[in-house]
Amino acid sequence: QITLKESGPTLVKPTQTLTLTCTFSGFSLSTSGVGVGWIRQPPGKALEWLAVIYWDDDKRYSPSLKSRLTITKDTSKNQVVLTMTNMDPVDTATYYCAHRFCDTSGYYRYAFDIWGQGTMVTVSS
Amino acid sequence: QSALTQPASVSGSPGQSITISCTGTSSDVGGYNYVSWYQQHPDKAPKLMIYDVSKRPSGVSNRFSGSKSGNTASLTISGLQAEDEADYFCCSYGSSNHVVFGGGTKLTVL
Repeated sequence: QITLKESGPTLVKPTQTLTLTCTFSGFSLSTSGVGVGWIRQPPGKALEWLAVIYWDDDKRYSPSLKSRLTITKDTSKNQVVLTMTNMDPVDTATYYCAHRFCDTSGYYRYAFDIWGQGTMVTVSS
Repeated sequence: QSALTQPASVSGSPGQSITISCTGTSSDVGGYNYVSWYQQHPDKAPKLMIYDVSKRPSGVSNRFSGSKSGNTASLTISGLQAEDEADYFCCSYGSSNHVVFGGGTKLTVL
């Protein structure tokens, strides 16, 4: 059974750096094809893709946020960490991590099937 | 990289069918068969309903179907049920291995 859980601060001040950790179980980030992504959702608004990291340490970022984001993995700890610099009140959102979907044939697809419960981050002074 | 365009809301009566559109560009929806759809109930995490434009993950009702024509993808829900009332988001793989979501559509079951 695959599970993911996000953790990190619930409140950060403007200009600070946010560090979120996704701790997962039921899969390994060293298995070919596996990926973990981060997606956020401001209250009452749409989902926004932030970043993804793959088993081979390939990393991709949202073009609009690339300069502020860093995604890393610790395979031994089953964790993925996302840092976002220079936080602003508009970054207030629920942040989700999610597992890259693997179909019944064993092929990894461009979709996320298992999501964490999300962690709400408020940016305010 | 702009968000994909979805109608803000759609509605239908129980038993009816509805379709939600998702319009992108040739750099995302039109260029790849990697459109996915997510259902999100209030205060819940999204649930994958469709991947690769028209494929359903195991366990998803066959009342949900997906298609694509040019730069526009569509999600159709047939035999509408009360529990289908939720927000729906489309998503597409884009050039340079990026991902883009749609603005979301609120489905109301009348």
